[in-house]
Amino acid sequence: AQSVAQPEDQVNVAEGNPLTVKCTYSVSGNPYLFWYVQYPNRGLQFLLKYITGDNLVKGSYGFEAEFNKSQTSFHLKKPSALVSDSALYFCAVRDIRAGGSYIPTFGRGTSLIVHP
Amino acid sequence: GEEVAQTPKHLVRGEGQKAKLYCAPIKGHSYVFWYQQVLKNEFKFLISFQNENVFDETGMPKERFSAKCLPNSPCSLEIQATKLEDSAVYFCASSQSPGNQPQHFGDGTRLSIL
Repeated sequence: AQSVAQPEDQVNVAEGNPLTVKCTYSVSGNPYLFWYVQYPNRGLQFLLKYITGDNLVKGSYGFEAEFNKSQTSFHLKKPSALVSDSALYFCAVRDIRAGGSYIPTFGRGTSLIVHP
Repeated sequence: GEEVAQTPKHLVRGEGQKAKLYCAPIKGHSYVFWYQQVLKNEFKFLISFQNENVFDETGMPKERFSAKCLPNSPCSLEIQATKLEDSAVYFCASSQSPGNQPQHFGDGTRLSIL
């Protein structure tokens, strides 16, 4: 079975400050991990993914995420937040063990609000 | 095309009527996925296709929902005898592979059942 948790419904940060959006996962095997962003009245837009290799993954718009196997986490980070980063952020996981589902499980989303 | 195109953007139906939603995946993407986004932003997987074949339908309600992806036509999701609880935004996504490639989402169809 695979599951993902985003423990914060909302994250507030001041513009220019670093931001972190948390994600933890549970899989039986090894994970593929994804972050997506959703703006109002739009579909999800892909930000970055962890498949294998370096634990620090860099993605679009200056975002990055760190895969931590021991803590089963994949937190999204950005060194300096912009007001335009305000949106809904979704973490997704897929278990790559043999026989695992090809369909990713999405978290419930975290609303990021960046204050001017 | 370079984007997943969903039509219509908004669809209003009276309870008991039929609703049909369409999705044109990105050219070259073999996999199509349908999701339902309801309250609290939760994404519920419905069904996926590999070309015109059903790939995974574990999330599909058995009774009133059906979907097709036919060659040279947009994919479709049809809901018969709609209920108030079917009100949601329905998203289509496509990808080159179901595993390690990201899904590309359309902007959704907002279905309102009155």
